[in-house]
Formats: sequence, C-alpha cells, structure tokens
Amino acid sequence: DAKTTQPTSMDCAEGRAANLPCNHSTISGNEYVYWYRQIHSQGPQYIIHGLKNNETNEMASLIITEDRKSSTLILPHATLRDTAVYYCIVRVRSQGNLIFGKGTKLSVKP
Amino acid sequence: NAGVTQTPKFRILKIGQSMTLQCTQDMNHNYMYWYRQDPGMGLKLIYYSVGAGITDKGEVPNGYNVSRSTTEDFPLRLELAAPSQTSVYFCASSYPGGVNEKLFFGSGTQLSVL
Repeated sequence: DAKTTQPTSMDCAEGRAANLPCNHSTISGNEYVYWYRQIHSQGPQYIIHGLKNNETNEMASLIITEDRKSSTLILPHATLRDTAVYYCIVRVRSQGNLIFGKGTKLSVKP
Repeated sequence: NAGVTQTPKFRILKIGQSMTLQCTQDMNHNYMYWYRQDPGMGLKLIYYSVGAGITDKGEVPNGYNVSRSTTEDFPLRLELAAPSQTSVYFCASSYPGGVNEKLFFGSGTQLSVL
C-alpha cells in the first residue's frame, strides 16, 4: 500500500500557483519524497524529489516540513498543460521500485 | 535518444491467447520494470529486473512472465490471457545511484482481453 495520502482532486486557475499537499506521517529517516505526474494516460513523468531540504528545479518546488511528515509540491505558474494526475511517493533511495497511490487529479482552468 | 520504447501501443486479445509486450531502452539502465494500470487506479508493479539475467516478482505477477537476456530489453509475456488482464501496461527503467534516480517510463501498451 502507498505510504502517502493525497487529496483526490484539486482545481487551479491558469497562471496561478498550484500547491499540491501530501501527507507521509510514517516516513522513515532514509526515505525520500518523490513526485511524478501522469498526463492523460501517458507514462508517468518525474518532477522532483527531496529528503529534508526544500528543492527547486525547472518544473517545480518541493517544500518538506521540518518533521518530514508532510510536503507540498508547488507549480509556480500553472498552465493548461499541467493538468494531470500527480503522485507523491516515498521510498528508500536505490531501492528501485515506486509504489503508486491514486494521486491527485489537478485540473488547471482558464 | 529514444528512451524507453514499448510495442505494440494497442492490442486486442481473445481469452486464452498469449502475447509478448516488448520493451527496450537505450540509456544503459540497470533496472527495468513492468507496471500495469487499471482505470482510475495507480500503477502496480508486475515484475522488475536489476540487471541482465536477474528478475523478481512485484505486487501482481500472476499470469505473467519476464526475461532479461540483455541490458536493453525486458519483454513481458502473457500466457492464457484473461479479461482481468485488460489494462494499460507501462515499462520503465532507471539507474539507481544516478543523480536523480528517476524512473523513465514508456508510452504504454493498451491491452484488451475479450
């Protein structure tokens, strides 16, 4: 079973920031938080990952709380092309496999 | 680079038929995976491989077989297809220990068993 809890769906206005929460209250000290997204039945796409520090790349920012029990993925300026299912996954680095939950369906609206 | 390539993209099988889903990657990744995704659900791991000649079961291996004779290829075999195997199948690869350790996914094979 997935070790994370995410809202089933969220809406966001185009051009605004999309903040996607994830609860992972049972995360272990050596587990990383990964985010992937899946656009309309395509293969999932890696977005970002982190251990305990906040991370930023060209796609998004990841904010992890100090106790590491939750995190937020931030898409700073959402576009219609960001409409997708977003998966928050925790796993030990180098373990390989990802365990997917149902994710959050983000709808970006004009 | 092509990344992860899956064939075919679509297939319809009759109950009891068999087929092989092909997956190849050109990134020299050690790890390869097969997932299935049922409608409205997340992906579930069928089999994975950590290198040529090594395979292991995932969450839902029943009714499937795999082989890994080369680093590049990881075919998934369905024997005696059943309606419960109607799903979208994704192949993925990764290189644990790399900078991001991210999985790269193929575009999927949509399979219907009727």
